[in-house]
Amino acid sequence: DIQMTQSPSSLSASVGDRVTITCRASQSISNYLNWYQQKPGMPPKLLIYGASTLQSGVPSRFSGSESGTDFTLTISSLQPEDFAIYYCQQSYTASFTFGPGTKVDIK
Amino acid sequence: QITLKESGPTLVRPTQTLTLTCSFSGFSLSTHAEGVGWIRQSPGKALECLGIIYWDDDKRYNPSLKTRVTITKDTSKNQVVLTMTNMDPVDTATYFCAHTKGFRNGWAIPRYAFDFWGHGTMVTVSS
Repeated sequence: DIQMTQSPSSLSASVGDRVTITCRASQSISNYLNWYQQKPGMPPKLLIYGASTLQSGVPSRFSGSESGTDFTLTISSLQPEDFAIYYCQQSYTASFTFGPGTKVDIK
Repeated sequence: QITLKESGPTLVRPTQTLTLTCSFSGFSLSTHAEGVGWIRQSPGKALECLGIIYWDDDKRYNPSLKTRVTITKDTSKNQVVLTMTNMDPVDTATYFCAHTKGFRNGWAIPRYAFDFWGHGTMVTVSS
């Protein structure tokens, strides 16, 4: 089955920083890649689908890109409400595998 | 507005069968390209999709759990039911149901994503 990896597993950043999170699929998944944000005690929130399309209502400081089996989530200017765990997810196969997550916390 | 809510037991004994119900509003599971999925999250761990049921009753299961998981729908009641057999302490987790739809952005094949989630229900497996 398709495995998803993310790097880094965690990072510390300051408000206003540009943050980049990488997700890699173990095989080609085209752009069947979604990004979610999860805060403590809450369900995940869809940020991006199709690797680069922003979900309605999500701030434009979030963006996604793809290069082969590598996918990137970028937050252009980190805001206080962005400290959370970010997950990628492939929707290419039935397992809809999630990555292990990247925790973004305050430096 | 789409809302979903999970309900069911909070404690299950090992080897028993877990049955959870997802009650939803704001959409119909008879509408093309819509579905409901079940996702779980063990304490402090990542997310794992258990399976999805689609508007046409197509069902897709996580291969690693396929022999234990069954998902059914009752369109008239706006409910989806998850059944998971032979529960084990490692199955202790928060179980979420979520709405999925096929997004089209010029793609011939829609890209599915979970756009609305329930708050989840914690299930503990213990004797």
